[in-house]
Amino acid sequence: GQNIDQPTEMTATEGAIVQINCTYQTSGFNGLFWYQQHAGEAPTFLSYNVLDGLEEKGRFSSFLSRSKGYSYLLLKELQMKDSASYLCAVINSNYQLIWGAGTKLIIKP
Amino acid sequence: IAGITQAPTSQILAAGRRMTLRCTQDMRHNAMYWYRQDLGLGLRLIHYSNTAGTTGKGEVPDGYSVSRANTDDFPLTLASAVPSQTSVYFCASSDFGGAGNEQFFGPGTRLTVL
Repeated sequence: GQNIDQPTEMTATEGAIVQINCTYQTSGFNGLFWYQQHAGEAPTFLSYNVLDGLEEKGRFSSFLSRSKGYSYLLLKELQMKDSASYLCAVINSNYQLIWGAGTKLIIKP
Repeated sequence: IAGITQAPTSQILAAGRRMTLRCTQDMRHNAMYWYRQDLGLGLRLIHYSNTAGTTGKGEVPDGYSVSRANTDDFPLTLASAVPSQTSVYFCASSDFGGAGNEQFFGPGTRLTVL
C-alpha cells in the first residue's frame, strides 16, 4: 500500500523554530508538496521538492531525502498566524497525488 | 471573480437525495479535481479532469459523478446521497495535470447527509 506519515499534532512557541516531518512509502516518487491549511479554509501551496536537498523560501524551508523516503518542513521565527495544519503530499509513479493526514501546529505565545 | 469558487458553502441533505456541488475557476487551468477531506484522513481524490471533455476516476469515485463541458466548470454530483458522504469537499485546479503542478483550491463545501 501507499502511506504518508506525519505527526498528528505539534506545539511550539512564538518566535521559535519547528520541524514537521513526513515519511512516505509510495509506488515510485515524482515529487513532494507541502501545503498549509488554516482551520475551515482551503489548503494553500507552500513548497515543492523533486530533488534531494533543502529549498528555502523566506521563513519556510523544505528538505527532501529520496533515499530515505523523508521530508521535513522547517518553520523559523514562528508567528501566531502559523497556527495551521501542514499537509505533505507525494506524487507517485502513476502521477497520482497521495496526501498525508496533516500535522496540526499549535503556536503558543 | 478570481481563482476558484464553490457553491454552496454548506448544505444539509437528506439521504437518498440528489445533489450537485458546483465549482468554477477563472484561471483558464486545464486540470481540475474534486477531493473530500475527512477528519484524521488525508485529502482523497474523487474524480479529476485533465482537460475539458475528459474525466477520470480517483481514489474514491463510487457514488459520485462529474462532467467537464468547458474549461471553467467542473460540477460534482451525488446521485443518491448516503451518510458516509458527509464530508468537506474541495475543488482544485492546476495549469496541467500530472507531476509538479501546484494545485489551487476552492473554499470548500461542507456537506452533511442525514
